[in-house]
Amino acid sequence: DTAVSQTPKYLVTQMGNDKSIKCEQNLGHDTMYWYKQDSKKFLKIMFSYNNKELIINETVPNRFSPKSPDKAHLNLHINSLELGDSAVYFCASSQDWDEKLFFGSGTQLSVL
Amino acid sequence: AQTVTQSQPEMSVQEAETVTLSCTYDTSENNYYLFWYKQPPSRQMILVIRQEAYKQQNATENRFSVNFQKAAKSFSLKISDSQLGDTAMYFCAFVDHNNNDMRFGAGTRLTVKP
Repeated sequence: DTAVSQTPKYLVTQMGNDKSIKCEQNLGHDTMYWYKQDSKKFLKIMFSYNNKELIINETVPNRFSPKSPDKAHLNLHINSLELGDSAVYFCASSQDWDEKLFFGSGTQLSVL
Repeated sequence: AQTVTQSQPEMSVQEAETVTLSCTYDTSENNYYLFWYKQPPSRQMILVIRQEAYKQQNATENRFSVNFQKAAKSFSLKISDSQLGDTAMYFCAFVDHNNNDMRFGAGTRLTVKP
């Protein structure tokens, strides 16, 4: 069983569209995260959720909104997509702040 | 804010040889953890090694070991007996109890040559 699964793996869309990326973890972890990896491979944290509460919100545009229906899921909604949103988005989870992150396989978003 | 610096954008090594990837970090905290992650072409992020800052002993995992110099805020990764499958991006990462979010360096692209 995949520990952290995210869908879709690839997403190609037009500027201005709204899209969502889903993430689920079956590890029973308390905290889930969204990271953005740009074309230069730089990984930057976007959000983290602990027990359904947002505890970190980096300076990302408010077009991005995380939604967590339960502890095992953290979905990422993106409104009014822009060219600069093209990147690989990784979902991750951890049991505690000092433990390793378990990553999903990433979603490559291409905005045309 | 904590920063993680990897000063080597790219490195290469011959198969079976040893290579060291450097990482420095900046923090005023005393309670923190350091990690090395590997990202092969498959894109999957894989933990290589984890080090607790309060432990003086350097962490090791088979062919992978670290040189943790707390006073110098340095955390280098040594890969011994390099294998072709070690070809990947390597990311140094830092997390402390205050911020609870893991911060990554810019990465080092390692190529193992046959």
